[in-house]
Amino acid sequence: EDQVTQSPEALRLQEGESSSLNCSYTVSGLRGLFWYRQDPGKGPEFLFTLYSAGEEKEKERLKATLTKKESFLHITAPKPEDSATYLCAARPGGSYIPTFGRGTSLIVHP
Amino acid sequence: DSGVTQTPKHLITATGQRVTLRCSPRSGDLSVYWYQQSLDQGLQFLIHYYNGEERAKGNILERFSAQQFPDLHSELNLSSLELGDSALYFCASSPRTSGGGGELFFGEGSRLTVL
Repeated sequence: EDQVTQSPEALRLQEGESSSLNCSYTVSGLRGLFWYRQDPGKGPEFLFTLYSAGEEKEKERLKATLTKKESFLHITAPKPEDSATYLCAARPGGSYIPTFGRGTSLIVHP
Repeated sequence: DSGVTQTPKHLITATGQRVTLRCSPRSGDLSVYWYQQSLDQGLQFLIHYYNGEERAKGNILERFSAQQFPDLHSELNLSSLELGDSALYFCASSPRTSGGGGELFFGEGSRLTVL
């Protein structure tokens, strides 16, 4: 069964304190690993797609990396506006349906 | 703004009732996905349509049904509502032309409360 597990469930950081979020996946023939940001009461907002181990993508203070078993979302010098839930999703080969993790709730204190 | 439009944004109804949620995908996107999000379940896949045809079903209850119309908008019908159906319902569209499956662009969601 395809599974996506995110850790930690919640993370509190001080402004400027860098950290990483983890996404472990077990899917057959990964066809894409996706990161989304979700603000309270809003729909998830697409951030990155990674396709193969070793690939990296960056956007402002966020950098996503991918290995054969997990992906990391690195947050460098976060600001309070980075506070949100970050969702990871993996699409298995032969399916058009990504499986989502439960997310990591990030709070950045000023 | 993702370009995906969902209506209504909020809906309060009683048990046993039926509601219809509507979604307009981004211009040019042929794939529409429906997801349910509740606090204890996370984002759960319900159903996927591509260019009017049903392509995949997830854990969608028999009381729920959906369709995608020729103009590509989609509707999710929820009937015989129960308290446990209270959740956020998201529609998403995908730009992939070969049936979807790439990055998804989500609407703002419809918050359903069943009393």
